[in-house]
Amino acid sequence: DAGVIQSPRHEVTEMGQEVTLRCKPISGHDYLFWYRQTMMRGLELLIYFNNNVPIDDSGMPEDRFSAKMPNASFSTLKIQPSEPRDSAVYFCASKKTVNEQFFGPGTRLTVL
Amino acid sequence: SQQGEEDPQALSIQEGENATMNCSYKTSINNLQWYRQNSGRGLVHLILIRSNEREKHSGRLRVTLDTSKKSSSLLITASRAADTASYFCATLSNDMRFGAGTRLTVKP
Repeated sequence: DAGVIQSPRHEVTEMGQEVTLRCKPISGHDYLFWYRQTMMRGLELLIYFNNNVPIDDSGMPEDRFSAKMPNASFSTLKIQPSEPRDSAVYFCASKKTVNEQFFGPGTRLTVL
Repeated sequence: SQQGEEDPQALSIQEGENATMNCSYKTSINNLQWYRQNSGRGLVHLILIRSNEREKHSGRLRVTLDTSKKSSSLLITASRAADTASYFCATLSNDMRFGAGTRLTVKP
């Protein structure tokens, strides 16, 4: 298995632009998580899905952030409009029920 | 949510020394796991200990669990420069939240 796949690996954009981050979880995993990591706030859980259904989005900072999981093999995290304070590394992770999590390599987002 | 809190926040040791990191949590658990994160990369699972276990070993890693104190410790023996990373604990629950981690630096 290729593991959790994220794209793009790096994204540089200008303030106000829409950003879409993509994630392909490990096949057979029924949980998918989106995290954001910064030096100031550490690793924050933004949202997680179970069987493609959003379970807890209380970590999503504001309405500019949205996440979807249209099927078991794909999820997106969208920021519209983006702001410089959104600059961070965004991680996607997946797991199967109550087991260890597997993280993707992350997307380093820079908003100028 | 069941979030682990690690301490110390930072630890600096010489190669060959042992490193001990601690984790505390607040609610009852079924399992606890430790992860490592190398700079700029995703977390990697290291070891899982179940609530009915008190100690577990994996190579140079030793994990203990004290459910009465709601705490766990991770010991890395004979540390190497390659062990330099951040270490996180997480209690196994659906909403996997992590603490701030312990930043370990092993000096060659």
